[in-house]
Amino acid sequence: AQSVTQLDSQVPVFEEAPVELRCNYSSSVSVYLFWYVQYPNQGLQLLLKYLSGSTLVKGINGFEAEFNKSQTSFHLRKPSVHISDTAEYFCAVTSGGNAGNMLTFGGGTRLMVKP
Amino acid sequence: EPEVTQTPSHQVTQMGQEVILRCVPISNHLYFYWYRQILGQKVEFLVSFYNNEISEKSEIFDDQFSVERPDGSNFTLKIRSTKLEDSAMYFCASSRLNSNQPQHFGDGTRLSIL
Repeated sequence: AQSVTQLDSQVPVFEEAPVELRCNYSSSVSVYLFWYVQYPNQGLQLLLKYLSGSTLVKGINGFEAEFNKSQTSFHLRKPSVHISDTAEYFCAVTSGGNAGNMLTFGGGTRLMVKP
Repeated sequence: EPEVTQTPSHQVTQMGQEVILRCVPISNHLYFYWYRQILGQKVEFLVSFYNNEISEKSEIFDDQFSVERPDGSNFTLKIRSTKLEDSAMYFCASSRLNSNQPQHFGDGTRLSIL
């Protein structure tokens, strides 16, 4: 079984400040990791993914995340946030192998960017 | 960019009634999924579908639920005899290949059971 923990349910931050949204996972097998963003009244949009290779992955809108296998973490970062980054962010994991594997989501982190 | 589309955006149904949620996955995708998000809770996996059959399902996906691909473009989730606790946002997703391909989500259908 796999699980995802997002340690912060809400993160308030001022515009142009850096931000880190934390994600830890547990799994008995190798995993693929994803971050999704949900803007109000919209669906889940893929921000970035880690499949293999370089542990630092870059995504859309200036976000990046670092896979740390020893700490089973996949924290999301952005060096300077904008008001438009205000949204809910979800970390998700799926295991390799079988087709159609389910995504397991964390509880989400609400990023609130203040002017 | 191709999108997953879901209809309706909001469905209000009396308890005990049947409801069908509809999705049009991205055209060249082969794997289809349903997830739900009860207000204030995590997004939860319901079912995955490939090659016209269920490939994986969660404990939530009991006999009350069924999925179907009635034609070459639509993918539906049917909930029979709805209960108050079925009220949630239901998301459809699709992916081109298997688990290392990202799943693309629709905007969801908000289901309200009265």
